[in-house]
Amino acid sequence: DGGITQSPKYLFRKEGQNVTLSCEQNLNHDAMYWYRQDPGQGLRLIYYSQIVNDFQKGDIAEGYSVSREKKESFPLTVTSAQKNPTAFYLCASSISGRAQLSKNIQYFGAGTRLSVL
Amino acid sequence: EDQVTQSPEALRLQEGESSSLNCSYTVSGLRGLFWYRQDPGKGPEFLFTLYSAGEEKEKERLKATLTKKESFLHITAPKPEDSATYLCAAYSGGANSKLTFGKGITLSVRP
Repeated sequence: DGGITQSPKYLFRKEGQNVTLSCEQNLNHDAMYWYRQDPGQGLRLIYYSQIVNDFQKGDIAEGYSVSREKKESFPLTVTSAQKNPTAFYLCASSISGRAQLSKNIQYFGAGTRLSVL
Repeated sequence: EDQVTQSPEALRLQEGESSSLNCSYTVSGLRGLFWYRQDPGKGPEFLFTLYSAGEEKEKERLKATLTKKESFLHITAPKPEDSATYLCAAYSGGANSKLTFGKGITLSVRP
């Protein structure tokens, strides 16, 4: 069953702690994305990667880090520098991050809800 | 700066009462307009992509249309299972382009 798997579904962070959110896809997509969703706000782009071993900052990258060592995986680390991490985090992927538009349709995982203890 | 505005923020309909959701955009060189459906606590589900003004797409009770300034999601004879938040996003193309999302419209359909 092809798709995007995010884990865990719920995550709690203690002050000063780094936490890592997992995102795995078996769709053979080149591009992957991380978004943050807050109540009453649109999705905001944190980081994106168009190809393995390469990634770019989005609009709100401060306090976050990513890696893209495998095509299938794009983990997001929320560092202690992120002072307001409570949010719903969404991972997405698309066939390609560039090229024709039909290949840029982004498909989303089920999300991880992060809260601060 | 690219902007996407959705209205109204929330919409309550009676089952069978047709209506439209609006998405207006200010994007330099729009390449595509996307509509998603999001259920509470879940990730967005892709519905439609519109590429050029005048284009229309349909899926069951939903029809999406696009003009040079806005897109509409028309819901015909909605059912309670259509209750969700509907997101639109604009794509401006280019080497480092990205989707710009609106805040969403929360639709509630009463039986």
